[in-house]
Amino acid sequence: VQLLESGGGLIQPGGSLRLSCVASGFSLTTYPMSWVRQAPGKGLERVAGISDDGGTTFYADSVQGRFIISRDIFKSTLYLEMNSLRDEDTARYYCAKNRPIHSGLLFDSWGQGTLVTVAS
Amino acid sequence: EIVMTQSPATLSVSPGERATLSCRASQSISSDLAWYQQKPGQAPRLLMFGASTRAAGTPARFIGGGSGTEFTLTISSLQSEDFAVYSCQQYKNWPLTFGGGTKVEIK
Repeated sequence: VQLLESGGGLIQPGGSLRLSCVASGFSLTTYPMSWVRQAPGKGLERVAGISDDGGTTFYADSVQGRFIISRDIFKSTLYLEMNSLRDEDTARYYCAKNRPIHSGLLFDSWGQGTLVTVAS
Repeated sequence: EIVMTQSPATLSVSPGERATLSCRASQSISSDLAWYQQKPGQAPRLLMFGASTRAAGTPARFIGGGSGTEFTLTISSLQSEDFAVYSCQQYKNWPLTFGGGTKVEIK
């Protein structure tokens, strides 16, 4: 299993970015996937998720209405479209493969992350 | 939302010594707790789940315990490769939440 993120960078407040995560070694139709971020000096926060069938998505309150998670199963790529970016969105964004367990999910494989810096 | 609180924020330990990390949930999560290890410049890695079950590749010196709201991760004899940040995560309720992490550093 490999996950490779790209698309991060420096962006002004109010701007937009699209992150990509290319998955290999498994199919995106087999496992749920998540985007998890880590702001400088802070803990991990799951900001978005998508089910294995693509029919269900999740967004943290902090990004609801601004971020959109999607995927292209033919390109084996997960996306995170980020709009109306704020200073507090500055973080390293990780793509993670989930493993269902009981009523929840584990994060059993992670990419190296891509850094998003929101600043003027 | 279940809030996960980890303590201490930083733990200074000498190689070969034992380290005990704590994780507290704001409400009972049974044993639905995972631990992750993150070394500098690397992605997090799943270390343990079910509070005490080691993930594939996790050495036996990592011991998880607890249930309900109080959990511990013990590293019985710290090796150089164990100095890292450790985060707990609950998967009992949605949204899934993580603790703030404990950094284990060399004393």
